[in-house]
Amino acid sequence: EPEVTQTPSHQVTQMGQEVILRCVPISNHLYFYWYRQILGQKVEFLVSFYNNEISEKSEIFDDQFSVERPDGSNFTLKIRSTKLEDSAMYFCASSVLSSTDTQYFGPGTRLTVL
Amino acid sequence: EDQVTQSPEALRLQEGESSSLNCSYTVSGLRGLFWYRQDPGKGPEFLFTLYSAGEEKEKERLKATLTKKESFLHITAPKPEDSATYLCAVLGSGGSEKLVFGKGTKLTVNP
Repeated sequence: EPEVTQTPSHQVTQMGQEVILRCVPISNHLYFYWYRQILGQKVEFLVSFYNNEISEKSEIFDDQFSVERPDGSNFTLKIRSTKLEDSAMYFCASSVLSSTDTQYFGPGTRLTVL
Repeated sequence: EDQVTQSPEALRLQEGESSSLNCSYTVSGLRGLFWYRQDPGKGPEFLFTLYSAGEEKEKERLKATLTKKESFLHITAPKPEDSATYLCAVLGSGGSEKLVFGKGTKLTVNP
């Protein structure tokens, strides 16, 4: 069964460093998303991406964040200058044709900022 | 503002003891309600999508139902492997593409 994959599974970085989180969405899906979950809190939406551009972003997704689809399979989230409060699980998700379709989630990347 | 509230926060059951989890939502014009299962340190795993009041979906020991204000996830004769956190989410109103999640119900099934 096709699934969303994410790398790395765990990333440790120093405050102020740049990190890139990588995702491979399900191959025939057209909508891509990033969510995050701070330990013990709700899953929160960050950004959605369709047709090579951001279609919606939350107030969390400020200028420190960016997304890119560098090739036909990868979808990346970059955090330019990490803060302690960026420590969280980051989940990539994808859906087939529209946002009303089911969003399938990857296993997540645990980001720890020291 | 779109809101999802799940109750109880935690639930302990004995194996075979059926129960229900509740998800109350506030959203203008529901376009989809989703149930996910989340194991510790893992991503949400899709269970069900419900689109309109009165709709029901079933999968093994799980059954999801939907009314105009809430959804229930019924668990019949649970097994220890059903232990997980169950998340409810709705699509945001106004054509938003984001899922708005509740905090989840942590279910523990003891053998």
